[in-house]
Amino acid sequence: EVQLVESGGGLVQPGGSLRLSCAASGFTFSSYDMHWVRQVTGKGLEWVSAIGTAGDTFYPGSVKGRFTISRENAKNSLHLQMNSLRAGDTAVYYCTRGAYDSGGAIDYWGQGTLVTVSS
Amino acid sequence: EIVLTQSPGTLSLSPGERATLSCRASQSVSSSYLAWYQQKPGQAPRLLIYGASSRATGIPDRFSGSGSGTEFTLTISGLEPEDFAVYSCQHYGSSRWTFGQGTKVEIK
Repeated sequence: EVQLVESGGGLVQPGGSLRLSCAASGFTFSSYDMHWVRQVTGKGLEWVSAIGTAGDTFYPGSVKGRFTISRENAKNSLHLQMNSLRAGDTAVYYCTRGAYDSGGAIDYWGQGTLVTVSS
Repeated sequence: EIVLTQSPGTLSLSPGERATLSCRASQSVSSSYLAWYQQKPGQAPRLLIYGASSRATGIPDRFSGSGSGTEFTLTISGLEPEDFAVYSCQHYGSSRWTFGQGTKVEIK
């Protein structure tokens, strides 16, 4: 059974940093693209970052230069280093798996970890 | 940058009725890269449809997707009580993933 379990969320002041982690199990982690997707309470989903199997990374303009996605295949772990955090980054952050050969769809989601940026 | 606009914002229907949800792209996109998700309160999203019309594993056949170019549709042929939820479309292109704002299907 595929499982994605996020950790590391919490309360941080504006301008601060936080590192999210995701423990993956039930599949060959190194063979899949992985993403972080966030959701403000009551709002839509927003893609935050992606990392390919070769370690190539991708970001939207809203977080580029502030967030860094990384993976540790030996530990089946995904990370998101978030710096220079803003109030607008407050959201539930989901660790997700890119579906294989499915046109960029995302087939598994963790339960999410809440990040609150506030003074 | 592709913008996905979903309509209506809220759809009020009764169990057994047919639901038709729209996702419009700001420019023509390949149907190979259009997906739909279902999200219930307090839960993570679930993949329903990928490639505009292919059902994901375990998804009932009352869910179907169609469309091309800039207009895509998710149809639920007969609403079951567990289908009342928020539905979001998503596009992948040029190393960017974009979501629509969602359509809520609520019980009338």
